[in-house]
Amino acid sequence: QKEVEQDPGPLSVPEGAIVSLNCTYSNSAFQYFMWYRQYSRKGPELLMYTYSSGNKEDGRFTAQVDKSSKYISLFIRDSQPSDSATYLCAMGGSYIPTFGRGTSLIVHP
Amino acid sequence: EPEVTQTPSHQVTQMGQEVILRCVPISNHLYFYWYRQILGQKVEFLVSFYNNEISEKSEIFDDQFSVERPDGSNFTLKIRSTKLEDSAMYFCASSDGSGQPAQHFGDGTRLSIL
Repeated sequence: QKEVEQDPGPLSVPEGAIVSLNCTYSNSAFQYFMWYRQYSRKGPELLMYTYSSGNKEDGRFTAQVDKSSKYISLFIRDSQPSDSATYLCAMGGSYIPTFGRGTSLIVHP
Repeated sequence: EPEVTQTPSHQVTQMGQEVILRCVPISNHLYFYWYRQILGQKVEFLVSFYNNEISEKSEIFDDQFSVERPDGSNFTLKIRSTKLEDSAMYFCASSDGSGQPAQHFGDGTRLSIL
């Protein structure tokens, strides 16, 4: 079983939709959880990170962690065409994160 | 906002040649990293660097690879005797060492080995 699993998509949604992006993991030692956004031909850009189970909100973005199920989610409200990108989950116990493959999101007008 | 800069954006090299990828991390950051992303695959950790020495490296980072901080601003990745399978995006990242996991990435160098 891979340490971090993430469906590569693509996920195509209409503008204004609520988007749910997810990752599962197998390593119970993971203590922090991050979401990066990566536009084409660009480096990953950190969106959010959290240490604990529960929700963390930042504008239109909400990160959710369920450590008991080893499942994390990123919700995007009122999605915009500018949100079209690849979203990478990353997590770790030390300062070296393990990345998921990324989910390609397409928000069409 | 401060950013990590990488040069060149694209490097084309013949198999067997040596390449040096360059990075300028964010100025007050203390930890520096190199990652690799093969097309269609996940971002993979190569090496981390702190206090002028390697602090951690992955299985990928073998004797073919080396890193250096030649001055107070640059951080380089050297790949000797390049192979076709070294073709990938190489990302540099840095973090401030505050204990938070946030790493800031550059836009990468696309390395193409012919």
